[in-house]
Amino acid sequence: QQQVRQSPQSLTVWEGETAILNCSYEDSTFDYFPWYHQFPGESPALLIAIRPVSNKKEDGRFTIFFNKREKKFSLHIADSQPGDSATYFCAASAYTEGADRLTFGKGTQLIIQP
Amino acid sequence: EAAVTQSPRNKVAVTGGKVTLSCNQTNNHNNMYWYRQDTGHGLRLIHYSYGAGSTEKGDIPDGYKASRPSQENFSLILELATPSQTSVYFCASGGLGGQDTQYFGPGTRLLVL
Repeated sequence: QQQVRQSPQSLTVWEGETAILNCSYEDSTFDYFPWYHQFPGESPALLIAIRPVSNKKEDGRFTIFFNKREKKFSLHIADSQPGDSATYFCAASAYTEGADRLTFGKGTQLIIQP
Repeated sequence: EAAVTQSPRNKVAVTGGKVTLSCNQTNNHNNMYWYRQDTGHGLRLIHYSYGAGSTEKGDIPDGYKASRPSQENFSLILELATPSQTSVYFCASGGLGGQDTQYFGPGTRLLVL
């Protein structure tokens, strides 16, 4: 069963616009929510992450908004650039002593049109 | 700089054959993971380990075995490869005791004919 749902599957925005990628989850024990990005031909890499002690996390042009009540979180990419074109994966995990495992969404393919 | 390497980078196998994918990390991380990536499915966890000698089943373990003989090495074994196991396989390592960053290797492209 899929515990992390991601939408849209693909998204095209113009350069300079804000791209918004969405995720939702079901497991209320999840307490860590990272976003990974993956450029064509490369491996995934951590972009930004949030823990629910906060409802917002910013890192430059990238912002995570977190809504615990609705079990939703989103990634906003401001002033998007063609170099941001990639596949973005949201993920979630619950702390488990000994190992922490991530559950990934299916990904959003983001294309930034110049 | 975190370093996770995988071998081979590309592999062609025959149905019914045995395939071993290897992963090595120099991060001194306790946790290691094997994922497969397929279009439309994202990253799916096959097996993971929280230290030498341990292996745990992930979400899609059927048809796969794992081995963690040391802190640095984690292998994924397909005893009887099938065409449905054609995929890109990623190994990752991560720290213990919290939700640390996972560092991914470059991936292995496996084609089972």
